[in-house]
Amino acid sequence: DTEVTQTPKHLVMGMTNKKSLKCEQHMGHRAMYWYKQKAKKPPELMFVYSYEKLSINESVPSRFSPECPNSSLLNLHLHALQPEDSALYLCASSHKDGAYEQYFGPGTRLTVT
Amino acid sequence: AQSVSQHNHHVILSEAASLELGCNYSYGGTVNLFWYVQYPGQHLQLLLKYFSGDPLVKGIKGFEAEFIKSKFSFNLRKPSVQWSDTAEYFCAVNEWISGSARQLTFGSGTQLTVLP
Repeated sequence: DTEVTQTPKHLVMGMTNKKSLKCEQHMGHRAMYWYKQKAKKPPELMFVYSYEKLSINESVPSRFSPECPNSSLLNLHLHALQPEDSALYLCASSHKDGAYEQYFGPGTRLTVT
Repeated sequence: AQSVSQHNHHVILSEAASLELGCNYSYGGTVNLFWYVQYPGQHLQLLLKYFSGDPLVKGIKGFEAEFIKSKFSFNLRKPSVQWSDTAEYFCAVNEWISGSARQLTFGSGTQLTVLP
């Protein structure tokens, strides 16, 4: 099973809302990632968790708050987002760290109104 | 700074034509190399990878890539494309520094359109 699942598939939220994105993998991977992808652009790395600990935060605004409750789950909590935050949010996982191939989920299409 | 270049932004081919997409990177040390594909409305999928060994690697769906260290290149090839190969293709590289792997750096992507 090489599947990474993400919920919800689509999310529309206002600038004052609080919402969460969820990601799950059952491949035993110990590194998990959040990326942001704008249309026709490559994914941009946001956060990396390694062994359930935040190892990389690519200077992401505090209105994005990641959480890794256990080795299979990764959340991204959203609060007070801006319209420019509208994008496809991708979750990925890999065996141990960035050296290994990453498996991507289908993404959550986020629209901020 | 680390960079990955994909010079072809949009490639249009007819079915059965041969494909070569360029990828160049700027690192001088040990690298791991990947090609990912994103079909319309679908998630990123790994096409192939190179870690070490034979510089000619074969991936899924008839794709292959050749790592040429002296040219800092990892070009993607397919002898005969199909309409179903229409997608966005991303080259990605990570570099080993002091025994640790940096995070993936993606190229800007190449949109491939195959005409039936």
